[in-house]
Amino acid sequence: GDSVTQMEGPVTLSEEAFLTINCTYTATGYPSLFWYVQYPGEGLQLLLKATKADDKGSNKGFEATYRKETTSFHLEKGSVQVSDSAVYFCALSETSYDKVIFGPGTSLSVIP
Amino acid sequence: DTAVSQTPKYLVTQMGNDKSIKCEQNLGHDTMYWYKQDSKKFLKIMFSYNNKELIINETVPNRFSPKSPDKAHLNLHINSLELGDSAVYFCASSRGVNTEAFFGQGTRLTVV
Repeated sequence: GDSVTQMEGPVTLSEEAFLTINCTYTATGYPSLFWYVQYPGEGLQLLLKATKADDKGSNKGFEATYRKETTSFHLEKGSVQVSDSAVYFCALSETSYDKVIFGPGTSLSVIP
Repeated sequence: DTAVSQTPKYLVTQMGNDKSIKCEQNLGHDTMYWYKQDSKKFLKIMFSYNNKELIINETVPNRFSPKSPDKAHLNLHINSLELGDSAVYFCASSRGVNTEAFFGQGTRLTVV
C-alpha cells in the first residue's frame, strides 16, 4: 500500500541555520503531496502542498518540490527561527481512496 | 470562525467508562475523518466518512463507533475505555480525494 517515509528526528538547529527534512513516498497512482506542521499543544496545519510532478509548494519561507523520478518531497528553509520549532509531517493523498496518509513526523527544535 | 471544531479538548476518565467526542466543520466539506495520534506523534487514520456514509474503517476495535448525523458532523463514541486508548484524537475534513485535510485542535484522552 501507499506510504510515506521521513527522516528520523529529533532535529536540533541553531537559529538562522539551513533546514532540510527528507521525505519519500510510495504510491500506486498520482498523489498530491503535503507538508503539515504541528506546534506544541495544537492541531495540524497545512504548511504547503504540490499536486503534480515538478510543482513547488512554498509558504512562510518553506519550500518543497514534487520529484516524481525520485518519489521525494523534501522540505527546506534557508534560515530557521525559534518559532519554527514544531513537528513536521509529510503526507500524501490519492484519487483512489479517501484519506490522507502521514509520515511518522520529524520534531524540529531551533535554539537561539 | 473555527473551521473544524471538536469538543472536549481534554478528557480524563476511568477504565471501563463510555465517552464521546464531538466534531463539527463549517467548511462545506463532504468528507470527514478521525485520526489517532499516539505518544510518539504517529498519526493513524481510524475512519473516513463521505456524505454521512462510512468509507474507511481501518481495523479499529468495534468499541469505537463513529456517527455522522449530517455531513457537517462526525462524532466518535468509545465504549469500555481501556488504558491503551489514551491518545490525542483529531477530527479532520476535506473536499474529497486528492485534497488536503483540515484538522481540529485535537482531544487529549487520558484513561486512568
